Amino acid sequence: GAVVSQHPSWVICKSGTSVKIECRSLDFQATTMFWYRQFPKQSLMLMATSNEGSKATYEQGVEKDKFLINHASLTLSTLTVTSAHPEDSSFYICSADPPAGAQETQYFGPGTRLLVL
Amino acid sequence: GNSVTQMEGPVTLSEEAFLTINCTYTATGYPSLFWYVQYPGEGLQLLLKATKADDKGSNKGFEATYRKETTSFHLEKGSVQVSDSAVYFCALSENTGNQFYFGTGTSLTVIP
Repeated sequence: GAVVSQHPSWVICKSGTSVKIECRSLDFQATTMFWYRQFPKQSLMLMATSNEGSKATYEQGVEKDKFLINHASLTLSTLTVTSAHPEDSSFYICSADPPAGAQETQYFGPGTRLLVL
Repeated sequence: GNSVTQMEGPVTLSEEAFLTINCTYTATGYPSLFWYVQYPGEGLQLLLKATKADDKGSNKGFEATYRKETTSFHLEKGSVQVSDSAVYFCALSENTGNQFYFGTGTSLTVIP
């Protein structure tokens, strides 16, 4: 079945550096992908909607310049956390709109855990 | 606006016990409702869904009924197994843009 992968699954970085997280749709093309963030003991919060070939749409309160999203192809969206700080440590999950006719409404990736020291 | 409220955990049950995880929602329109499960170290997996009022979603022994009058979608299972240990998320989608609104998640641990 359709799968969404994320890379890396775990990343630890120093404060002030940038980190790129990849979200790939395997076996299908995804014109729309979503990026979520999950803090400990909290729910997943939508950060932005990523549309292939156009600018991402960010949710209120999410800094566009800090969380750069690029959806350059139909199978890849990237989230870059720029100048990361410890408060950016979180679990980042992407999802993709499934192919037409799929039973599921969304395919979710396994998530990327980011720890900023 | 849209939001989902689910019971806080963690929940610890003995094997073969009855499970209920409460979920209520607020929505501006007529959403679809979902339960997702996240096993340790894995991504979210769709457990079941219901797209309109009075629909019952079911899978792997889990059930949830879309109750419009009480704006609820409680998850139930008659006899839990150790392998059901996971975090369960209630969610809704307005079906426009496929944006999801999630509850906070409920951690379930089933002990032998």
